[in-house]
Amino acid sequence: KAGVTQTPRYLIKTRGQQVTLSCSPISGHRSVSWYQQTPGQGLQFLFEYFSETQRNKGNFPGRFSGRQFSNSRSEMNVSTLELGDSALYLCASSPTKIAGFYEQYFGPGTRLTVT
Amino acid sequence: QKEVEQNSGPLSVPEGAIASLNCTYSDRGSQSFFWYRQYSGKSPELIMFIYSNGDKEDGRFTAQLNKASQYVSLLIRDSQPSDSATYLCAVTTTGGFKTIFGAGTRLFVKA
Repeated sequence: KAGVTQTPRYLIKTRGQQVTLSCSPISGHRSVSWYQQTPGQGLQFLFEYFSETQRNKGNFPGRFSGRQFSNSRSEMNVSTLELGDSALYLCASSPTKIAGFYEQYFGPGTRLTVT
Repeated sequence: QKEVEQNSGPLSVPEGAIASLNCTYSDRGSQSFFWYRQYSGKSPELIMFIYSNGDKEDGRFTAQLNKASQYVSLLIRDSQPSDSATYLCAVTTTGGFKTIFGAGTRLFVKA
């Protein structure tokens, strides 16, 4: 099976702009989670989607949002970018069932730099 | 107290030795526990998961879980230089749908 794919792999934006990142999960996986990884904070949970529904979200401001489509592909959006948003954004898919939570498989990530 | 705590290291072991990585968690209702390996500049890679108390072995890796002590560990036998990486402990929260990662332990295996 093909792994999790993320596009774009690298992105440079200016403060105040917005950005949309895309994630395609492993075929058959319906759960997609997003994480932000920075050297200082490590891996921080952003949100998790299953069947187009956000089931949980982390402690991030409302500028961070996401959605999932009927084919399980997911996007996350960051509006009004700040310098501190520079990070590696990771998407992970999981073969989770409705009543459980299983292992996650990560994509290669999108490296976002805000200048 | 952090939700998932790991010793940041670095942990240095000689080639062929056993590397022992430890993790504690605060949510007593946590149900699923994972170990990921992350090489520099790469994304995390799942290497082990464990759901029940006790040991789980997979090749050179053994995961150990003690829910009463809220402790999970990873043993790497016959450590190789290629095992040099950051190892992330991850725990799903009560009710699932959210995973909390530790800050990771850097492991160096000296040839």
